[in-house]
Amino acid sequence: DAGVTQSPTHLIKTRGQHVTLRCSPISGHKSVSWYQQVLGQGPQFIFQYYEKEERGRGNFPDRFSARQFPNYSSELNVNALLLGDSALYLCASRPTGVYGYTFGSGTRLTVV
Amino acid sequence: DQQVKQNSPSLSVQEGRISILNCDYTNSMFDYFLWYKKYPAEGPTFLISISSIKDKNEDGRFTVFLNKSAKHLSLHIVPSQPGDSAVYFCAASRISNYQLIWGAGTKLIIKP
Repeated sequence: DAGVTQSPTHLIKTRGQHVTLRCSPISGHKSVSWYQQVLGQGPQFIFQYYEKEERGRGNFPDRFSARQFPNYSSELNVNALLLGDSALYLCASRPTGVYGYTFGSGTRLTVV
Repeated sequence: DQQVKQNSPSLSVQEGRISILNCDYTNSMFDYFLWYKKYPAEGPTFLISISSIKDKNEDGRFTVFLNKSAKHLSLHIVPSQPGDSAVYFCAASRISNYQLIWGAGTKLIIKP
């Protein structure tokens, strides 16, 4: 069974640019969440989607947006990139009613 | 304002002995707690969880203890094995929203 897949695995962008990160959840998982992990810290919650609706948003600026598609895959978009956006972006999915999220390997974003 | 704290950045344990990883939280509204393990270049892997109605949960070599009055939980690994060397994250959630709040992690090193 395929796990949570994220693309791309690595990305280098210039300040001010826009980036789109993609995530495919485990088949049958309708909930997808996004987390940002800066080096030396734990992941920080960005967004949660369930059945294509936003169910939660963390303390991130409006430059961060996301959506979930009918097939439950998801995109995270970040506009006007800042150096501080450099981080590992993790996507996680879970079955309905279960707390144990399964994480992808992440996208390593470097902003220069 | 760190709601979940892991005060030990690293821990070194002899193979075969017990590893004890600690986590403290400040928000009394948290009612579900999880431990994840993370290897470099991989996403976090779910290990074990506990709800606030319990004070102990076991799964093989892993046991999580919850002390609600002290707002403290711990993960015991017995016996410790070389493959247990990784970063361990404690995470907390409210059952109502599934959003995980993470500690900064503890790097566990198992010495042969």
